[in-house]
Amino acid sequence: AQSVTQLDSQVPVFEEAPVELRCNYSSSVSVYLFWYVQYPNQGLQLLLKYLSGSTLVKGINGFEAEFNKSQTSFHLRKPSVHISDTAEYFCAVSDSGTYKYIFGTGTRLKVLA
Amino acid sequence: DTAVSQTPKYLVTQMGNDKSIKCEQNLGHDTMYWYKQDSKKFLKIMFSYNNKELIINETVPNRFSPKSPDKAHLNLHINSLELGDSAVYFCASSLFSGVQETQYFGPGTRLLVL
Repeated sequence: AQSVTQLDSQVPVFEEAPVELRCNYSSSVSVYLFWYVQYPNQGLQLLLKYLSGSTLVKGINGFEAEFNKSQTSFHLRKPSVHISDTAEYFCAVSDSGTYKYIFGTGTRLKVLA
Repeated sequence: DTAVSQTPKYLVTQMGNDKSIKCEQNLGHDTMYWYKQDSKKFLKIMFSYNNKELIINETVPNRFSPKSPDKAHLNLHINSLELGDSAVYFCASSLFSGVQETQYFGPGTRLLVL
């Protein structure tokens, strides 16, 4: 069965510093990968997704992620974070042809002034 | 315009009661989902409907019963509420075209069972 691992439960980082949030998934022939963000007391919203094509995916709010098939990873990066990026970030994977997402356990990004 | 809406936003109730949460989407999507998010923020899918048919039914107590009267609505009824049911319940919707597309989430319903 497909699984997703987010290695860091919390990541504190200073404002304007770069950040990387890690995500690894179990191997599969064909997967679709997503990053969602959840601001406090809100629902999830999509940051970016990888379905096919270029392995470097750009999303909203200056975030990007790189799909690495050999390492089964889809790490999320931002070169310079803002206080407003403080939120919970979820990686999700979906096998081709299925309706189901498998979410990781989330990484809490805390941006410090 | 709200894309995915849920009511109520907050629900506080006693153990043993029965309650319902409603979800509506105006995106024209054909697939809807219920997720449970626990206090540690872990998100677990509970159910999914595609064109009013149940397609995902995870290991969930049968006290939980989803109902989809049409493609735009997916309700969740919970019988005999227990303390462990306290969580945030999210509804989501997507358009399935053979490729899993973006899921759009509602704002959540915060359920507290006393």
